[in-house]
Amino acid sequence: DTGVSQDPRHKITKRGQNVTFRCDPISEHNRLYWYRQTLGQGPEFLTYFQNEAQLEKSRLLSDRFSAERPKGSFSTLEIQRTEQGDSAMYLCASSLAAGEMGGYTFGSGTRLTVV
Amino acid sequence: QQPVQSPQAVILREGEDAVINCSSSKALYSVHWYRQKHGEAPVFLMILLKGGEQKGHEKISASFNEKKQQSSLYLTASQLSYSGTYFCGTVYQKVTFGIGTKLQVIP
Repeated sequence: DTGVSQDPRHKITKRGQNVTFRCDPISEHNRLYWYRQTLGQGPEFLTYFQNEAQLEKSRLLSDRFSAERPKGSFSTLEIQRTEQGDSAMYLCASSLAAGEMGGYTFGSGTRLTVV
Repeated sequence: QQPVQSPQAVILREGEDAVINCSSSKALYSVHWYRQKHGEAPVFLMILLKGGEQKGHEKISASFNEKKQQSSLYLTASQLSYSGTYFCGTVYQKVTFGIGTKLQVIP
């Protein structure tokens, strides 16, 4: 069990560019979650998958954000036409069961800086 | 809707106790507690399910009162390693996190 892996750890991009992040969950976990965290705040929910199905997407998420989990294993989060307000830590988490029954294992995150 | 945590920050000396509260305006079915150290990812501590149960992790325990829609985290005989930000999370299909309580334990 290597835990949840996220790549890259850091990303600096110019405003208007597209970025893509990758998350590799714990292999036997069928649920995968994306959160965003800014300084002094708790993780903010973005979207989650059960296997390859995207079951919920935050209403706060603009259509510049898209996520996929094509084969029910790794997931990607893409941000198009980045804005300075997108600067944050993007966290991925996975779980074996629904949140009502078990906790999440988080990855170390991808820190995005938009300049 | 985001749960409300209190206090927002607390400073303890080693060996002292603390309580962190988490409340929700919506009915609670289960509550998660996490600890996040500076520059690291949140780490799951425990889950509380309906039934008013208490659970423990090291010298950290928690209670859950679904009638009052509240959960509390108890840290007893605090150690330097307990420093960090504690988040509660209310669960409905996914976890919605509170703003966090920053805990600092000093010698």
